[in-house]
Amino acid sequence: DADVTQTPRNRITKTGKRIMLECSQTKGHDRMYWYRQDPGLGLRLIYYSFDVKDINKGEISDGYSVSRQAQAKFSLSLESAIPNQTALYFCATRDRGDTEAFFGQGTRLTVV
Amino acid sequence: AQKVTQAQTEISVVEKEDVTLDCVYETRDTTYYLFWYKQPPSGELVFLIRRNSFDEQNEISGRYSWNFQKSTSSFNFTITASQVVDSAVYFCALISSGSARQLTFGSGTQLTVLP
Repeated sequence: DADVTQTPRNRITKTGKRIMLECSQTKGHDRMYWYRQDPGLGLRLIYYSFDVKDINKGEISDGYSVSRQAQAKFSLSLESAIPNQTALYFCATRDRGDTEAFFGQGTRLTVV
Repeated sequence: AQKVTQAQTEISVVEKEDVTLDCVYETRDTTYYLFWYKQPPSGELVFLIRRNSFDEQNEISGRYSWNFQKSTSSFNFTITASQVVDSAVYFCALISSGSARQLTFGSGTQLTVLP
């Protein structure tokens, strides 16, 4: 099993719908991140969390919300999806003392 | 603020050619880490290397080598004798001690190796 698991892997949803992307990790890391990837723009940080009670906005948080339900789980929600949120979304984890980030397999989201 | 620039959007080479992917970074911190990730067509992100700001030794791993130069704020990646399987998007990334919360990525370089 993967250390960082994202569900679903692919999703097509309609404009205006609420959708949740889930991430779980078995690495025991404190820090978890959500990124989105768009062609030509690299990965941009949406939200990050240092522990269950510490959640922070990243570069592009508008239109998104997150929930850190437990150390191992970090969910990203789109309250009312819009087409320009069509992207590849990645969850990542990082240990406090080790700066290497471990990524999930990605969730390809299409908003029509 | 920190920033990573990968000026090469796309590169095409013929198999067995050497290719260098450029990465230029900006940070005000003296302690930072640089990374390279590979994203093959399947989409996952594969970690390749991490280098801290106090270690300027170049590194070689098989056909891969990395040239870190603090004087020019660059961390370039060279693939020797490229192969078709090297075709992927390559990302350079940075974490600095002052902004240690964020792993900042460059926009990526699409490398295509033609047979």
